Amino acid sequence: QVQLQESGPGLVKPSQTLSLSCTVSGGSISGGRNYWNWIRQPAGKGLEWIGRIYTSGTTNYNPSLKSRVTISVDTSKNQFSLKLSSVTAADTAVYYCARDPEDGYAGFDYWGQGTLVTVSS
Amino acid sequence: EIALTQSPGTLSLSPGERATLSCRASQSISSSYLAWYQQKPGQAPRLLINGASSRATGIPDRFSGSGSGTDFTLTISRLEPEDFAVYYCQQHGSSPLFTFGPGTKVDIK
Repeated sequence: QVQLQESGPGLVKPSQTLSLSCTVSGGSISGGRNYWNWIRQPAGKGLEWIGRIYTSGTTNYNPSLKSRVTISVDTSKNQFSLKLSSVTAADTAVYYCARDPEDGYAGFDYWGQGTLVTVSS
Repeated sequence: EIALTQSPGTLSLSPGERATLSCRASQSISSSYLAWYQQKPGQAPRLLINGASSRATGIPDRFSGSGSGTDFTLTISRLEPEDFAVYYCQQHGSSPLFTFGPGTKVDIK
């Protein structure tokens, strides 16, 4: 059973960089045709896709965030990571990592529990 | 960008009733790339349906999806107490690659 677990600071100051990691267990992050995604959800609001990475290192980002986002993968740790720079209060949200096993055909089948990141001084 | 709208915003029903949720795309999308999720408070979304009509692993058969082009539907044939939640549709497109609808809340009447 694949499991994903987000980790990182729960509080980030405005203008700084938000950094989160997602550890994958129950399978190799390099296995299959998996795409590894970050998705966020402000309190009481809907879901916003941030970006994804394939194990080859190929990335795709949401154009609305592209200038501030970097997603990377560390296969030795079975982890992938998110960096979001120049954060503001609008970036306060629950951040989820999720797996897409078929490049969009199968949806996001495994999700982490989510981690709340608050941007505040 | 393909936008998704969902209706109604809130659906108030009783256990045992049938729920019909709508998801409409701003332009035609491949049904292969349409998914539905259920989200309960404090939990991550749970994949229910992919490919517009295929139930994900472990999803009860009271959940069904249908539709094509711009109009898609999630039906819950008989609501169980655990089905009261928010439901999102999601599509895989071009830019951005993935978008979600705003959600439909199914609450107890």
